[in-house]
Amino acid sequence: SQQGEEDPQALSIQEGENATMNCSYKTSINNLQWYRQNSGRGLVHLILIRSNEREKHSGRLRVTLDTSKKSSSLLITASRAADTASYFCATDAWTQGGSEKLVFGKGTKLTVNP
Amino acid sequence: EPEVTQTPSHQVTQMGQEVILRCVPISNHLYFYWYRQILGQKVEFLVSFYNNEISEKSEIFDDQFSVERPDGSNFTLKIRSTKLEDSAMYFCASSEAPYARETQYFGPGTRLLVL
Repeated sequence: SQQGEEDPQALSIQEGENATMNCSYKTSINNLQWYRQNSGRGLVHLILIRSNEREKHSGRLRVTLDTSKKSSSLLITASRAADTASYFCATDAWTQGGSEKLVFGKGTKLTVNP
Repeated sequence: EPEVTQTPSHQVTQMGQEVILRCVPISNHLYFYWYRQILGQKVEFLVSFYNNEISEKSEIFDDQFSVERPDGSNFTLKIRSTKLEDSAMYFCASSEAPYARETQYFGPGTRLLVL
């Protein structure tokens, strides 16, 4: 089955450091999305990268996609305490005829210590 | 910036009772979704809805679940007879385009607790 799986499961860093989270998946995709979830709250969309893109930037976020390795990484530069949250990758479940659902990984819990 | 809204934010109910979770998608979006997240677990797809009918559903979305767009703005998820295992955070989402090609925007969620 197709899954996004993030690693590490948990990451603790100091404010100002960079945080890198990785996501692996199993089958072909059209795009991959990263979301953030503050504890017990909703999902905030961060960035979408398409299968024909290799890298994308948004502010302090940098996402890479390697379709040959079926993996993606999310880099948060110059982290802040407010970046403390869980980060999820989500892939579209590509099937013939299309599918509308997103398949989420288990997430990486990031803690940024002041 | 437009956003998806959900009500109520929290709901506590007794096992066997019916619950209706409400969502207002982003106004120009045509595709609507429900997902759920059991505490500590992954976000799971339940159902997608377009043009007033279900376009895709997961194995979780059994006969106890139904969705409806009763008017031009609301999108609802009904659970007919709740079970303990229905306790979860339920997220509504909407998008402009189908097939997960474009961003799905999520609401803040409804935390459902079944006692």
